[in-house]
Amino acid sequence: EAGVTQFPSHSVIEKGQTVTLRCDPISGHDNLYWYRRVMGKEIKFLLHFVKESKQDESGMPNNRFLAERTGGTYSTLKVQPAELEDSGVYFCASSSKAGGLNEQFFGPGTRLTVL
Amino acid sequence: GNSVTQMEGPVTLSEEAFLTINCTYTATGYPSLFWYVQYPGEGLQLLLKATKADDKGSNKGFEATYRKETTSFHLEKGSVQVSDSAVYFCALSPDSWGKLQFGAGTQVVVTP
Repeated sequence: EAGVTQFPSHSVIEKGQTVTLRCDPISGHDNLYWYRRVMGKEIKFLLHFVKESKQDESGMPNNRFLAERTGGTYSTLKVQPAELEDSGVYFCASSSKAGGLNEQFFGPGTRLTVL
Repeated sequence: GNSVTQMEGPVTLSEEAFLTINCTYTATGYPSLFWYVQYPGEGLQLLLKATKADDKGSNKGFEATYRKETTSFHLEKGSVQVSDSAVYFCALSPDSWGKLQFGAGTQVVVTP
């Protein structure tokens, strides 16, 4: 069974440009989470999809970030326009069910560098 | 609000040494507690978890006990190996939807 995959693994862009990150969860997992780790600090929650619906987007930093999950399968996270402080590692995770008892499976992350 | 505090790294120790990584938390209610590990070049993997007070999670020789009275979830391993070199993250899940709140991570380096 394939794990969670993320694309690209690395992205280097200039301030003001747009970047789109993609996450493919484990097949059949309804729950998809986005997190990011900025400059070696703690990993912070961004948002949570249940199928194609946003269950919780309380961690999204501002309206430059747009997440979608069309059809309840893969998800994209777009940053437009990118700022220097957006640099970091963006992780995606999926689980079959929501809730603290259910393991989240993480992808390898996308390292975003904004110059 | 909720928060997780874990000891700063890097922690460097020799093979077969005893490892402890301290983790304390602040949360309302009764969160579930987790340790995740990130090996070089890989994504985070669940190492162990505990869902209620006094539960002990264990896996791969690692253990952690949910201590409500001290709001702690310290990670321990009696004899580390070089392959345990990784970044370890303490985390809590404050609600029924499963979103995780992480500590800053502790890098562990085990030398032969």
